[in-house]
Amino acid sequence: LAKTTQPISMDSYEGQEVNITCSHNNIATNDYITWYQQFPSQGPRFIIQGYKTKVTNEVASLFIPADRKSSTLSLPRVSLSDTAVYYCLVGDNNNAGNMLTFGGGTRLMVKP
Amino acid sequence: DAGITQSPRHKVTETGTPVTLRCHQTENHRYMYWYRQDPGHGLRLIHYSYGVKDTDKGEVSDGYSVSRSKTEDFLLTLESATSSQTSVYFCAISANQPGNTIYFGEGSWLTVV
Repeated sequence: LAKTTQPISMDSYEGQEVNITCSHNNIATNDYITWYQQFPSQGPRFIIQGYKTKVTNEVASLFIPADRKSSTLSLPRVSLSDTAVYYCLVGDNNNAGNMLTFGGGTRLMVKP
Repeated sequence: DAGITQSPRHKVTETGTPVTLRCHQTENHRYMYWYRQDPGHGLRLIHYSYGVKDTDKGEVSDGYSVSRSKTEDFLLTLESATSSQTSVYFCAISANQPGNTIYFGEGSWLTVV
């Protein structure tokens, strides 16, 4: 199983760009990298997913280097509402019995 | 939002009593998961299912059992609840596609007194 390591917490200010890095040294060939956001008292929700290079959607960008042993979630111009816990998940559920485990997540605090 | 319903959403029970949490999906997804979340521990996988009657243990399966008799339902049972099982329980589902996204339910808050 690909274990992930993220910083426990990060602080930022409104309007800044935030980059959260996740390490996954033993990522497998078929594994994808997915990031989730969780607000208090809610289930995590999907932000972005990628396999290699760069992926961008309306809320974030995901940078994955060639060796895929890490990934960086980039949140442009954060606002107070981006205060949440962010989880990096590595895995591929196309294989029967695949177990998807989460790391501890990064608690992002956005200040005014 | 993915069609996932967890029940009950909140429950208080006494130590030693059995408790069953239900997860119901309307997406016909193959995979279903039960996670628990405690302060300082993030999300920890209890059990998962990769098909009807096909289940396996996760990281923290001791004290829990699961059953999946239909594609849409995944039950988590605490045979004899303990105070250490006080937690928030999240059900999740995903389809059988490479790297597919996990969708989570709203959570079930369980307090064992």
